[in-house]
Amino acid sequence: GENVEQHPSTLSVQEGDSAVIKCTYSDSASNYFPWYKQELGKGPQLIIDIRSNVGEKKDQRIAVTLNKTAKHFSLHITETQPEDSAVYFCAASNYGQNFVFGPGTRLSVLP
Amino acid sequence: KAGVTQTPRYLIKTRGQQVTLSCSPISGHRSVSWYQQTPGQGLQFLFEYFSETQRNKGNFPGRFSGRQFSNSRSEMNVSTLELGDSALYLCASSPEVHNTEAFFGQGTRLTVV
Repeated sequence: GENVEQHPSTLSVQEGDSAVIKCTYSDSASNYFPWYKQELGKGPQLIIDIRSNVGEKKDQRIAVTLNKTAKHFSLHITETQPEDSAVYFCAASNYGQNFVFGPGTRLSVLP
Repeated sequence: KAGVTQTPRYLIKTRGQQVTLSCSPISGHRSVSWYQQTPGQGLQFLFEYFSETQRNKGNFPGRFSGRQFSNSRSEMNVSTLELGDSALYLCASSPEVHNTEAFFGQGTRLTVV
């Protein structure tokens, strides 16, 4: 079955700097890769996603890149702000199948 | 548009008891998936319901079950609770089958004592 690894497990950046979180997946049939942000006491919030027929997707300060050959995808957050501090999860799935989540990255943006 | 609503938000139960959790998906969404979140195991898939049918099931014992009603609302039940069942139970709502955008509720925090 699918296995998703995520690095780093914790990340601290200065406000205004960029943050990058990387995930690798094992099942080459996976074709949908969402990213979720989870704040304390809340459920995961979908922030961006990408499908396997696209190499990059951007939404304001957030971007995701996908390398199908290497089976890895990354989340890029530019101009980080304190409110970006949260736990971020990547996930992978094939059509009709459940998400397999990475273990999460705790991002701290220091003022 | 209202989001995914999970009730109750918090529950404390005793070992051996059973519990039922409820999830109301986003209006118009037909798929409901359930996940268990723990510090040690992360987010793990329990099951998915679509049009009142269980489409997928994760690797959990038979004590964990669920159902979906004709209005897409879903319930999950855990019988004979164990201490290890303490977790945040999350429900995700999707327009169609899983693998489309999925939106999570706030979760139900279950504590088994």
